[in-house]
Amino acid sequence: ILNVEQSPQSLHVQEGDSTNFTCSFPSSNFYALHWYRWETAKSPEALFVMTLNGDEKKKGRISATLNTKEGYSYLYIKGSQPEDSATYLCALRTGTASKLTFGTGTRLQVTL
Amino acid sequence: DAGITQSPRHKVTETGTPVTLRCHQTENHRYMYWYRQDPGHGLRLIHYSYGVKDTDKGEVSDGYSVSRSKTEDFLLTLESATSSQTSVYFCAISDPKTGSVYGYTFGSGTRLTVV
Repeated sequence: ILNVEQSPQSLHVQEGDSTNFTCSFPSSNFYALHWYRWETAKSPEALFVMTLNGDEKKKGRISATLNTKEGYSYLYIKGSQPEDSATYLCALRTGTASKLTFGTGTRLQVTL
Repeated sequence: DAGITQSPRHKVTETGTPVTLRCHQTENHRYMYWYRQDPGHGLRLIHYSYGVKDTDKGEVSDGYSVSRSKTEDFLLTLESATSSQTSVYFCAISDPKTGSVYGYTFGSGTRLTVV
């Protein structure tokens, strides 16, 4: 069983703060790393799929970087807004049928 | 998401009874997955399918079986429900051609309570 770890478990920031989370994974057998945003009472929504070492992806105020050699990815949120409050999941994809192994997530709460 | 639906959305059942959850997709995606979500564990893979009648076990498959008789439907059966199977169950779909760009699409989840 792959071990995908996310830190911190939870984070509470104020509106306007920038923040970042970490996803760590075993660097062997790497195919891709996925980031998802999961709001309470909704389904996870895909943010990024990253495959190459050194990859950087950006969507609005959210960006992510990937280091496959050392086995980590960072997710950054610039100028956090209350609507960014959600759980952010990372997941490692292995080769067979694109299976994903998920971390336990980082729960972000942004307050005014 | 309109392309994937789960039924029922909520179910309460008694210990020892069989339960079947349904996942239906209209995207014609090849891969389908069942995950369960529990506090402290995140999403854990139960079973997955890589084509019609092609299925395999995930990391928490004990007590569950699946069937996929056509592309659009993936059924998850709890053979004899136990309280430890109280959870929220998510179905997801993925396509080998687009999955590396778009990732999974998830259903809305089924909240199952075993009493």
